[in-house]
Amino acid sequence: ETGVTQSPTHLIKTRGQQVTLRCSSQSGHNTVSWYQQALGQGPQFIFQYYREEENGRGNFPPRFSGLQFPNYSSELNVNALELDDSALYLCASTRTGGSYNEQFFGPGTRLTVL
Amino acid sequence: AQRVTQPEKLLSVFKGAPVELKCNYSYSGSPELFWYVQYSRQRLQLLLRHISRESIKGFTADLNKGETSFHLKKPFAQEEDSAMYYCALYHSGYALNFGKGTSLLVTP
Repeated sequence: ETGVTQSPTHLIKTRGQQVTLRCSSQSGHNTVSWYQQALGQGPQFIFQYYREEENGRGNFPPRFSGLQFPNYSSELNVNALELDDSALYLCASTRTGGSYNEQFFGPGTRLTVL
Repeated sequence: AQRVTQPEKLLSVFKGAPVELKCNYSYSGSPELFWYVQYSRQRLQLLLRHISRESIKGFTADLNKGETSFHLKKPFAQEEDSAMYYCALYHSGYALNFGKGTSLLVTP
C-alpha cells in the first residue's frame, strides 16, 4: 500500500508569483484535503476535494485554489504569493463513505516566499 | 465557531512520570475529537479518537462534555513518547480543526 506523497519537498518563490503543489493520495482513497501549517502553529484546513469537486473550504482567500484528478491526485495552486504564505503545506487523503475515516497525511511541502 | 485550545506549548516530564496534555474545545454540535502525533522527522499520524475509546501506546483520552475537554493521559511516560501532539476537532463532515500543539519532552 503506497502512502500519501507530495511534491516538491521544498520550494522558494518570490512575492507575487504563483505556485503549484502536488499530492498523490493513498491507494484506495478518493478524498484529498489540504492544510497550511505556519511555524509554531497547528495545521489549518484549506479545502477538501471529493469526486473532482471542492467539498468544503476553510477561511482562505480565492487565490488558494485546487484540483482533483480522476486518479484522485490533487493540486494546490496559490496565486499572488504573499510573505505570510510561507508555511508547510500538508495533504491528507481518506476514503469518503460512512462515518469519519482516518485522514492519512503526507510529508508536506515547505514553501518559502521571499 | 469551532475552536481547539492547547494551553501548553511545551511539557517536560521525567521518564516514568505521569503525563497529561490538555485540550479544550468549543463546538455547538456533538464533537468528534482526535489526538494526532508527530514524531521527529515523521509525518503527522492519528494517535487516537474519542469514539473508539481505546488505548494506544498507553495513552488514553476521555471526552468531558461538561468541561469541554479531551485531555490526553499516560500513567508512565517513556522517552519514545517525546513528540509534538495535536488535538483536533472534526466538523462539518470534512474538516479537521487543530490546536497549536504541545511539544512533549520526556527526559531520562
